[in-house]
Amino acid sequence: DTEVTQTPKHLVMGMTNKKSLKCEQHMGHRAMYWYKQKAKKPPELMFVYSYEKLSINESVPSRFSPECPNSSLLNLHLHALQPEDSALYLCASSQVGVYGYTFGSGTRLTVV
Amino acid sequence: AQRVTQPEKLLSVFKGAPVELKCNYSYSGSPELFWYVQYSRQRLQLLLRHISRESIKGFTADLNKGETSFHLKKPFAQEEDSAMYYCALNGVITQGGSEKLVFGKGMKLTVNP
Repeated sequence: DTEVTQTPKHLVMGMTNKKSLKCEQHMGHRAMYWYKQKAKKPPELMFVYSYEKLSINESVPSRFSPECPNSSLLNLHLHALQPEDSALYLCASSQVGVYGYTFGSGTRLTVV
Repeated sequence: AQRVTQPEKLLSVFKGAPVELKCNYSYSGSPELFWYVQYSRQRLQLLLRHISRESIKGFTADLNKGETSFHLKKPFAQEEDSAMYYCALNGVITQGGSEKLVFGKGMKLTVNP
């Protein structure tokens, strides 16, 4: 298995809802990432997990809460989001070190 | 400041023409550079990494430390090369002292028949 799988592919949520995005990989990668991508913009890093521990939080608002339950799974818990949080959320994984990232196809989130 | 710059947003060429997608970087130390490609309605994919010095889908990219560039080139463009291309720099230091991968703003390549 050489893919990063993200679910759901699309999500519409209200500003008072709580939802979670899921990401899974079985490549043995020990680094996992959440990126946010707005339309026609490059991906922007949100969080990095290395060996299941949070190593980077790019000053992301607390309404986004990441979780890495094991080496294959990465979640992003969402609560009280704002319409401006609507974007494509990308998960990626890599070996730790100088390697390219493998990206999932993303979850397209719309906050209404 | 450590950053990667793609000076052009759009490039449109005809099939068979050469293409060069420019990427410049600012980095103190030895940079780790990548090219990623995003085809329409597809996921972001790694195309090239400078340490591999490989050719993928006819594309090559050479790191030029003197000019701080990592331009992506292909001698004969194909219609299926139409996509968004992102240059990326690894090793940018965050406020917490960790390293991260940052992307340039991207360039849209259109190859016309």
